[in-house]
Amino acid sequence: DAGVIQSPRHEVTEMGQEVTLRCKPISGHNSLFWYRQTMMRGLELLIYFNNNVPIDDSGMPEDRFSAKMPNASFSTLKIQPSEPRDSAVYFCASSLAQGAGETQYFGPGTRLLVL
Amino acid sequence: AQSVTQPDIHITVSEGASLELRCNYSYGATPYLFWYVQSPGQGLQLLLKYFSGDTLVQGIKGFEAEFKRSQSSFNLRKPSVHWSDAAEYFCAVSDRGYSTLTFGKGTMLLVSP
Repeated sequence: DAGVIQSPRHEVTEMGQEVTLRCKPISGHNSLFWYRQTMMRGLELLIYFNNNVPIDDSGMPEDRFSAKMPNASFSTLKIQPSEPRDSAVYFCASSLAQGAGETQYFGPGTRLLVL
Repeated sequence: AQSVTQPDIHITVSEGASLELRCNYSYGATPYLFWYVQSPGQGLQLLLKYFSGDTLVQGIKGFEAEFKRSQSSFNLRKPSVHWSDAAEYFCAVSDRGYSTLTFGKGTMLLVSP
C-alpha cells in the first residue's frame, strides 16, 4: 500500500490567497483526521471524519478553514483567505475505526508558508 | 479534558547509552496510550500502544514503554540508542470509546557519537 498521500508537499502563498490541501487515505480505512503542527502549539486535531461524515470539527480554528470528504478516497482542507499565522505543517492521517484505540497512519504532511 | 505532558523538550544521549523519555497524562480513567516517532520531514509513525493487560509494552525498533497507573505515566525506554533513533517522539492519549488522539508537545532526541 502507498500509505496516506498528501499534496502538495510544500506550498508558499501570499496572505489573502486561497489554499487547498489534499489527502488520499489508505484504501479501506474509514476514518480520516486533519492535524496542524506548529512550534508553539504542537500537534492539534483540526477535524475528524468517519465514513466521510465530519464527527468532530471543534479544532477548526475559524470560518476561514473548511474541510470536505466527498468520498472514501479523498479529502480536502481549504483555507480562505489565508493568513501568515496559518503557516504550519498540516498532516492527514487515516485509520480503520473499530471503536477506539486504532492506529492512525500519517501522511508526510504539507508544509504551508503564508507570506 | 485530557492532557499529555512531555516535560523534556530536548534530550541528548550518547550512542549506545540507554534512553528514557517521560510522559504524564491527565485523564479520569485509564486511557489508551501511544508513542509515535517523527523523523525530520516525515509524518508520524506508531512505535507502540497500550490498551490493557501487561503494563510493559513492546514496540518496534527495540522500544518499550511501561504504564504506571499510580504515577499517570507512560515512559518510553530503549536499552541502547542508535544514531538512527534521532527524531522527535510524541506521547498521545485517546479516550476509551473515541478515536481521536491528544498529543504531547514532543521530545526531540539528539544522539551524540
